[in-house]
Amino acid sequence: QKEVEQDPGPLSVPEGAIVSLNCTYSNSAFQYFMWYRQYSRKGPELLMYTYSSGNKEDGRFTAQVDKSSKYISLFIRDSQPSDSATYLCAMIPDSTLGRLYFGRGTQLTVWP
Amino acid sequence: NAGVTQTPKFRVLKTGQSMTLLCAQDMNHEYMYWYRQDPGMGLRLIHYSVGEGTTAKGEVPDGYNVSRLKKQNFLLGLESAAPSQTSVYFCASSSRRNQRYEQYFGPGTRLTVT
Repeated sequence: QKEVEQDPGPLSVPEGAIVSLNCTYSNSAFQYFMWYRQYSRKGPELLMYTYSSGNKEDGRFTAQVDKSSKYISLFIRDSQPSDSATYLCAMIPDSTLGRLYFGRGTQLTVWP
Repeated sequence: NAGVTQTPKFRVLKTGQSMTLLCAQDMNHEYMYWYRQDPGMGLRLIHYSVGEGTTAKGEVPDGYNVSRLKKQNFLLGLESAAPSQTSVYFCASSSRRNQRYEQYFGPGTRLTVT
């Protein structure tokens, strides 16, 4: 079992929909949680960064962390065709080395 | 700032040939990483480095070697390429400054081994 599980999709939604992307994890030591967005044939880029439990909002994007359930989510409001990409969750324990543990990514398509 | 750059962008190798992928970063980051990305497999860590002159194995190190002679550069070598090494390779870097650990990725190298 991978330490970080993420449904690969694909997920296809109409423009304007609310999108929910999720990951579960097994290592209770994870403290820092991130979401990366990867456009086709590009490198991943950081989208959201949260520490420990709680919510963080940035424009149309909201990241949620529930450490008690070992579950993180990314919500996209008013989704746009430009949001079409693969979304990868990533997390790191509160330790040195900086090694990230990634989910496999969810492929999202927003159609006009 | 160029961020993280990778050379080359594309390469086709025959089985048994060798090559070196170069990663460079201009952010003065301490940590650097090499990943491979295959369909359905996500990002898998090959090797990483926590500082100049140090390297360590990741999840899938077999068939690869690395070197970090300068802080800004991280080289990934394939001594004898195999078709199973056909993949997209990403380099990334990060810093512990301000206790933030996000990684910055390069644009990738698409490698095909025939």
